[in-house]
Amino acid sequence: EPEVTQTPSHQVTQMGQEVILRCVPISNHLYFYWYRQILGQKVEFLVSFYNNEISEKSEIFDDQFSVERPDGSNFTLKIRSTKLEDSAMYFCASSIQSNQPQHFGDGTRLSIL
Amino acid sequence: SQELEQSPQSLIVQEGKNLTINCTSSKTLYGLYWYKQKYGEGLIFLMMLQKGGEEKSHEKITAKLDEKKQQSSLHITASQPSHAGIYLCGADRGSQGNLIFGKGTKLSVKP
Repeated sequence: EPEVTQTPSHQVTQMGQEVILRCVPISNHLYFYWYRQILGQKVEFLVSFYNNEISEKSEIFDDQFSVERPDGSNFTLKIRSTKLEDSAMYFCASSIQSNQPQHFGDGTRLSIL
Repeated sequence: SQELEQSPQSLIVQEGKNLTINCTSSKTLYGLYWYKQKYGEGLIFLMMLQKGGEEKSHEKITAKLDEKKQQSSLHITASQPSHAGIYLCGADRGSQGNLIFGKGTKLSVKP
């Protein structure tokens, strides 16, 4: 069964450094998403992406964050200057339509030191 | 803003017992999704409910949507250790697939 894949599974970075989290969505899906889950808290929406542009973003998704679909298969989340509070599990998801189930990757655990 | 409240927060059941998890929304539900998460792993899609009164089943798991009550329930029949994990309900806020989630219900099944 097709699945969403995320790399790396764990990323450790010094505060202030840039990180790029990578995702390969399911191939025939058109809608892409990033969510995050701080340890012990709810899964929170960050951004949705469709037709090569951001369709919606949350308050969390400030100027330090950006997303890109650099080619036909990858979908990336970049954090320009990481803060301690960016430490979380980041999930990528994709869906065939916006009102259809989102399928999630296994996540990237981001640890900021 | 919309909130999803799940109950109970955690549940320990003996293998073979039935159980129910509830998810209540503070606003109208446009679409309700149930996911299962194992610790430190991704969310596995279980079921989607879109219409009031809708009921879906997959193997021993049944989910229902009561649109008037803005509530959904997930029922597991004859629980097994493989059912253990964290069950999350997610609601579509009627926008571009922006889902909000409840805090989750942690299920443990004792052999």
